[in-house]
Amino acid sequence: GAVVSQHPSRVICKSGTSVKIECRSLDFQATTMFWYRQFPKQSLMLMATSNEGSKATYEQGVEKDKFLINHASLTLSTLTVTSAHPEDSSFYICSARGTTGTNSPLHFGNGTRLTVT
Amino acid sequence: SQQGEEDPQALSIQEGENATMNCSYKTSINNLQWYRQNSGRGLVHLILIRSNEREKHSGRLRVTLDTSKKSSSLLITASRAADTASYFCATAFNNDMRFGAGTRLTVKP
Repeated sequence: GAVVSQHPSRVICKSGTSVKIECRSLDFQATTMFWYRQFPKQSLMLMATSNEGSKATYEQGVEKDKFLINHASLTLSTLTVTSAHPEDSSFYICSARGTTGTNSPLHFGNGTRLTVT
Repeated sequence: SQQGEEDPQALSIQEGENATMNCSYKTSINNLQWYRQNSGRGLVHLILIRSNEREKHSGRLRVTLDTSKKSSSLLITASRAADTASYFCATAFNNDMRFGAGTRLTVKP
């Protein structure tokens, strides 16, 4: 089956530093990748949608200068949390969709637990 | 933002019983999908039902879709302790995917 690798799985950083999270589709080409944030015992909140080779589309209320998304290739998207603060601590999950479009399922990474101290 | 509402928010049953979870949504869809999430992990796709389908089966899973009522249900038959997880519905329309609030299912051995 389709595999999405997300790295790192856990990261602890100091306030003010930046953290980069990678999301790779290992055995398929992902034209679209999604980035979500999830608070404990809550649903996934869509942060942004990125299409390969174009700028990400951010959801209302998500600061694009703080959460930098790059989707430079069909197999890699990155999310960089810039100048992280404790309130950015959360579980971040990426997902990817293959080239078959909307009627294909999303394949998820295993998430990144970010803790900002 | 979230799309759908799921109920119940939490469900606790005994092993062997059936579990039914419901999902309601508000907008147009191309398809509706159900996912499972174990604690602290990513989501795993379970089943996809297209907007022109009414029912779909996959193993012990049965999904229904009523587009007139904008609702879907997921039935897990003969539940097992290993089915304990959170279950989310997700609606897909064009390039957009939105998740419901989820149902936390606990299956007691």
